[in-house]
Amino acid sequence: QQQVKQSPQSLIVQKGGISIINCAYENTAFDYFPWYQQFPGKGPALLIAIRPDVSEKKEGRFTISFNKSAKQFSLHIMDSQPGDSATYFCAVHSGGYQKVTFGTGTKLQVIP
Amino acid sequence: DSGVTQTPKHLITATGQRVTLRCSPRSGDLSVYWYQQSLDQGLQFLIQYYNGEERAKGNILERFSAQQFPDLHSELNLSSLELGDSALYFCASSVASQASEGYEQYFGPGTRLTVT
Repeated sequence: QQQVKQSPQSLIVQKGGISIINCAYENTAFDYFPWYQQFPGKGPALLIAIRPDVSEKKEGRFTISFNKSAKQFSLHIMDSQPGDSATYFCAVHSGGYQKVTFGTGTKLQVIP
Repeated sequence: DSGVTQTPKHLITATGQRVTLRCSPRSGDLSVYWYQQSLDQGLQFLIQYYNGEERAKGNILERFSAQQFPDLHSELNLSSLELGDSALYFCASSVASQASEGYEQYFGPGTRLTVT
């Protein structure tokens, strides 16, 4: 049972452009929504995260937009740079003991 | 560097064998999580331990088991290995185990398991 749907699977963006990755979830019991960045050969690294009591969170060039009623959240990368080229995963956490479900990942390529 | 260490980095073994993967969490972190990442299945949560006790279970096969020791390091044991078990295995750690205490997880560099 897929609880998180992530799109697109891959994305090519010009340097300086905006990268947008979307995730949709099914279970309203989820209460923490992080995005992870993963470079080849490395473990995922937490990029930014949001809780359902806010609709937007911004950290530098990275913004999470959260739509509780639509059960969707998205990652926006402003002024995308070649160094942002990586795979991005959304995740949802549920329950008190952090049962985690990850999205399928989006491979982002930022071209100069 | 996340502060989470995993050994070995690479492991090649044959079908039917048993292996043990080791993880040392960040200093001060009490929770350890294990994940499997394969090309066709993405990143799958396997199991979580907090201060030596199992706290949450994901899609972990019965052939797999884990434990967390008093010094907080953790081991993931994989037995009766099959070709399909070939994957990257990640360990992550966090300070807390519950929602009210923070969720940030820090991932290790992973162990690449190849079953031939």
